[in-house]
Amino acid sequence: ELKVEQNPLFLSMQEGKNYTIYCNYSTTSDRLYWYRQDPGKSLESLFVLLSNGAVKQEGRLMASLDTKARLSTLHITAAVHDLSATYFCAVEMIQGAQKLVFGQGTRLTINP
Amino acid sequence: DAGVTQSPTHLIKTRGQQVTLRCSPKSGHDTVSWYQQALGQGPQFIFQYYEEEERQRGNFPDRFSGHQFPNYSSELNVNALLLGDSALYLCASSSQGGGYEQYFGPGTRLTVT
Repeated sequence: ELKVEQNPLFLSMQEGKNYTIYCNYSTTSDRLYWYRQDPGKSLESLFVLLSNGAVKQEGRLMASLDTKARLSTLHITAAVHDLSATYFCAVEMIQGAQKLVFGQGTRLTINP
Repeated sequence: DAGVTQSPTHLIKTRGQQVTLRCSPKSGHDTVSWYQQALGQGPQFIFQYYEEEERQRGNFPDRFSGHQFPNYSSELNVNALLLGDSALYLCASSSQGGGYEQYFGPGTRLTVT
């Protein structure tokens, strides 16, 4: 059974600092996603990572994928308050049906 | 181009009742998946519909059932509601039987009292 683990689960940081969220998964996957979720809202897609060594960047966020280590990272550079949210990684399996398995989420709070 | 839409936005039900949630996929999409997200947790896969058939089911009891219509829209039905069914229910759509990225709707917040 595919398991996805994120750490840390809670992260409080100051504006301007850098930090990394880690996502480990247990079996080979087809795609890996990063989502952002604001309180009471749905999921906003941030990145889709398809292959080993994939790196994508959007603003202060950068995601990478190491399929051999079964590890993805979401790096935050020079954090700003607007990035406060919960971040989920999700691993997609396409075997018979397309199914996303989510991590527990990382609740990120960025303090001024 | 309308994205994934869900109705209703919020719903309050009593234990033992039944509920139906609705989802219209993004234009051009033919595959619909349903997820349950309990408070403070990641979403959990309930099931996926393609060509009006349930393709795969997650670890949910038979009280959870669904349907897909010829226009690709979908319903999620939950019978004999329990307090633990209170959650945000998310619908996601994709195309060609799931070979492409899923797009999530705004969700339906179900509260069971």
